[in-house]
Amino acid sequence: AQSVTQLDSHVSVSEGTPVLLRCNYSSSYSPSLFWYVQHPNKGLQLLLKYTSAATLVKGINGFEAEFKKSETSFHLTKPSAHMSDAAEYFCVVSDRSYKYIFGTGTRLKVLA
Amino acid sequence: ETGVTQTPRHLVMGMTNKKSLKCEQHLGHNAMYWYKQSAKKPLELMFVYSLEERVENNSVPSRFSPECPNSSHLFLHLHTLQPEDSALYLCASSQLGQSNEKLFFGSGTQLSVL
Repeated sequence: AQSVTQLDSHVSVSEGTPVLLRCNYSSSYSPSLFWYVQHPNKGLQLLLKYTSAATLVKGINGFEAEFKKSETSFHLTKPSAHMSDAAEYFCVVSDRSYKYIFGTGTRLKVLA
Repeated sequence: ETGVTQTPRHLVMGMTNKKSLKCEQHLGHNAMYWYKQSAKKPLELMFVYSLEERVENNSVPSRFSPECPNSSHLFLHLHTLQPEDSALYLCASSQLGQSNEKLFFGSGTQLSVL
């Protein structure tokens, strides 16, 4: 069975400082891992996807995530937060077609 | 614009009403999904259709009835809902069998049941 845990329900950072959103996963197979972002009153938008080609995955808007098999982690980072990054972020694991398991989300607040 | 369009954006209905949510994808995908997003709960998969056949029904009450007339359209028919069914309903699509498979979401329908 697969599962995903987002370790923080809320994260606050100051504008211009680094962002770290933490995600741990569990899967019986070699999973695909995703990060999605949801802005208020919007659907979910894909930030990036890991599929075993490279452990460091670069996504849109300056975000990247590193796959660490030994730690079963897939944390999302960004060197410098922008006000427009304020949103909810979801870590997702999938180990087979059409089976996607979503984390409970991390709400990112960016302070001016 | 993600290529997945949902209507209406907002819906208020009484418990005795019948309404339908509509989803259309313009991406040529072969699978479509309904998810329910409630406050403080993970996204819940409701239904998956692959090539217009239902391949997943995640123990959803019968007051929710999906319909997939073709690979581009997906409906969710609602009747005799309960207040706890108030939530954001998200439609998504994907291309099954592709190594780069991923979900593309619509903007959702915010449903309030009075």
